Amino acid sequence: QVQVQQWGAGLLKPSETLSLTCAVYGGSFSDHFWSWIRQPPGKGLEWIGDINQGGVTKYNPSLKSRVTISVDASKSQFSLKVNSVTAADTGVFYCARLKRYSRARDSLDVWGQGTRVTVSS
Amino acid sequence: QSVLTQPPSASGTPGQKITLSCSGSRSNIGSNYVSWYQQLPGTAPKLLIYRNYQRPSGVPDRFSGSKSGTSASLAISGLRFEDEADYYCASWDDSLSGRWVFGGGTKLTVL
Repeated sequence: QVQVQQWGAGLLKPSETLSLTCAVYGGSFSDHFWSWIRQPPGKGLEWIGDINQGGVTKYNPSLKSRVTISVDASKSQFSLKVNSVTAADTGVFYCARLKRYSRARDSLDVWGQGTRVTVSS
Repeated sequence: QSVLTQPPSASGTPGQKITLSCSGSRSNIGSNYVSWYQQLPGTAPKLLIYRNYQRPSGVPDRFSGSKSGTSASLAISGLRFEDEADYYCASWDDSLSGRWVFGGGTKLTVL
């Protein structure tokens, strides 16, 4: 049974850097992609980006300039940093496994519990 | 504005069958798998359907998915009060160097 557990700071001031980490327990870390998704209050889901075990990343073009996703495969962990946050970055951030199927991205089948991030001065 | 288009709301009564729609384009639904997610209030999304119509173990067969061309649908039969939730469709999009895209979500109310 694969599980992901996430943690990080939940209260930030404008211009600070958001930093979250997700640990993967069970299953194969190398076979899939590892994603970050955010959800503003009362709104829908937005994919931020993903990374594989080798550190190859894909980012949402709308966020790419401020986002860095990194991986520590030795610990089965991956991390998210978002620079220069503003109030518009407030929301719940999820990490999730983006399952690989025959080299394609299949579905987000394992989700973290979510981290509520508030950006306020 | 979401890349995949879903109606913002839908409603049904217990026992009814309801179908939620998701419309995309050739670069996403038209050439990649569709998945569906259920999000109950205050919780993380849960995978309901993957690879267009496959159900993960533990998901009741009341939930079924289909895809035709650049559109997909999620059908829920034997509607229950506990099905009241937000439902999102998603797919990979081959444009802009590739990105994962979601629909805006449909809020399902069981009356």
